[in-house]
Amino acid sequence: DAGITQSPRYKITETGRQVTLMCHQTWSHSYMFWYRQDLGHGLRLIYYSAAADITDKGEVPDGYVVSRSKTENFPLTLESATRSQTSVYFCASSESGTGNTIYFGEGSWLTVV
Amino acid sequence: EDKVVQSPLSLVVHEGDTVTLNCSYEVTNFRSLLWYKQEKKAPTFLFMLTSSGIEKKSGRLSSILDKKELFSILNITATQTGDSAIYLCAVLKGAQKLVFGQGTRLTINP
Repeated sequence: DAGITQSPRYKITETGRQVTLMCHQTWSHSYMFWYRQDLGHGLRLIYYSAAADITDKGEVPDGYVVSRSKTENFPLTLESATRSQTSVYFCASSESGTGNTIYFGEGSWLTVV
Repeated sequence: EDKVVQSPLSLVVHEGDTVTLNCSYEVTNFRSLLWYKQEKKAPTFLFMLTSSGIEKKSGRLSSILDKKELFSILNITATQTGDSAIYLCAVLKGAQKLVFGQGTRLTINP
C-alpha cells in the first residue's frame, strides 16, 4: 500500500533553475493538492486539481506550474527557482475533497541557493 | 481575506498537564474546521467539526467548535511526551480549499 509518494524528498538547487517535484498516489483519488509550509505561515495552498486535466490556483500560485495528465500524478514545477521558494512542499490527495479524507505525502524539502 | 489564527504559537508544559489550544477564524464559505497533528513530517487528521457545541473526543484529545464566536479549541488532558508536535487548525471552505493557521508547537517535557 504505497499511498501517496513524493520525490525527491530533499533537493538543493540554484536560483534560476527549473525544478519539478513529483507526486504520485495509488488510490485513484479525484482531488490532489500542493501546499508549501513555511515558519509562521502554516500550510498554504499553491495549486489543486479536481480531476485529470482540471487544475486551479490556490493562495500562492505565482512562480509555480502544475499539470495533471493522469489521475495518479500531479507534478509541481518551479520554472525559475527563487530563494523565497525555499520551503517544505506537501502533496495531498482526497477522494471527496473534504478535510477529513485528505492524505498528505511525506513532504519534499527544497532549498534554493 | 480569509484568516485562521492559532494561539499560542508555542507552548511548553510538563507531562501530565492539561493544555488548551485555540483557533479563531474569519473565512468565507465555511464548511468545517479541522485539527491535524504534525510530527516532523506529514500532518495527520485528528478531528473535523461542522456543528457548534458538539464535542468530538478521541482518547485524551477533545475539540469543540463555536460558529457564533468563530473559534475552536483543542484540549489534551494528561499530556504525554508523545503528544509533542505541531498542531494545525484548518478551515475547509467551498471548492475543497483548506485554509491553515500558523500552527501551535507543543512540547511536553518529562
